[in-house]
Amino acid sequence: GENVEQHPSTLSVQEGDSAVIKCTYSDSASNYFPWYKQELGKRPQLIIDIRSNVGEKKDQRIAVTLNKTAKHFSLHITETQPEDSAVYFCAASPYSGGGADGLTFGKGTHLIIQP
Amino acid sequence: SAVISQKPSRDICQRGTSLTIQCQVDSQVTMMFWYRQQPGQSLTLIATANQGSEATYESGFVIDKFPISRPNLTFSTLTVSNMSPEDSSIYLCSVGGQSNGYTFGSGTRLTVV
Repeated sequence: GENVEQHPSTLSVQEGDSAVIKCTYSDSASNYFPWYKQELGKRPQLIIDIRSNVGEKKDQRIAVTLNKTAKHFSLHITETQPEDSAVYFCAASPYSGGGADGLTFGKGTHLIIQP
Repeated sequence: SAVISQKPSRDICQRGTSLTIQCQVDSQVTMMFWYRQQPGQSLTLIATANQGSEATYESGFVIDKFPISRPNLTFSTLTVSNMSPEDSSIYLCSVGGQSNGYTFGSGTRLTVV
């Protein structure tokens, strides 16, 4: 089955700086890679996702890059703000378009934004 | 994207008992997914529930411990059976959509004493 590795487990950055979280996956059949933000006591919220036919996707301060050959993808957050503090999870799935497959998650990164 | 109502939001249960968690979706979906999130940990897929057929369980999870029902395209239940303290976790249901990715219910925080 799929295995998703995520690094670092904890990341502390100064407010206004950039944060990068990296994930690798093992199953070449995976073609859908979402990122979730989870605040304490709340459900995971999708913040951005990318499919394997795209190398990069950006949404305001958040971007995701995918290197399918190397089987790794990364989350980039620029101009970090205090409200970015949360746990971030990467995930992978052989998304077939019908929502038929569940997600395999990385272990999570606790992002701390220092004022 | 789909809106999921999950209940109960939390419960404290005695060991050896069972708890049934319900998820209701505001639209028809083919698949529903059940995850477990142990304290301070990531999410792990328990099983995939397809209406009209038996759920498909991931390695390490069995039907006797986590029976699932999927009576129609908008509803599913997960039962945690014969509970022990190790079952204390957050349980979440999820549905997938091609355009909007996967969304999650609000979770059920289970404590077994």
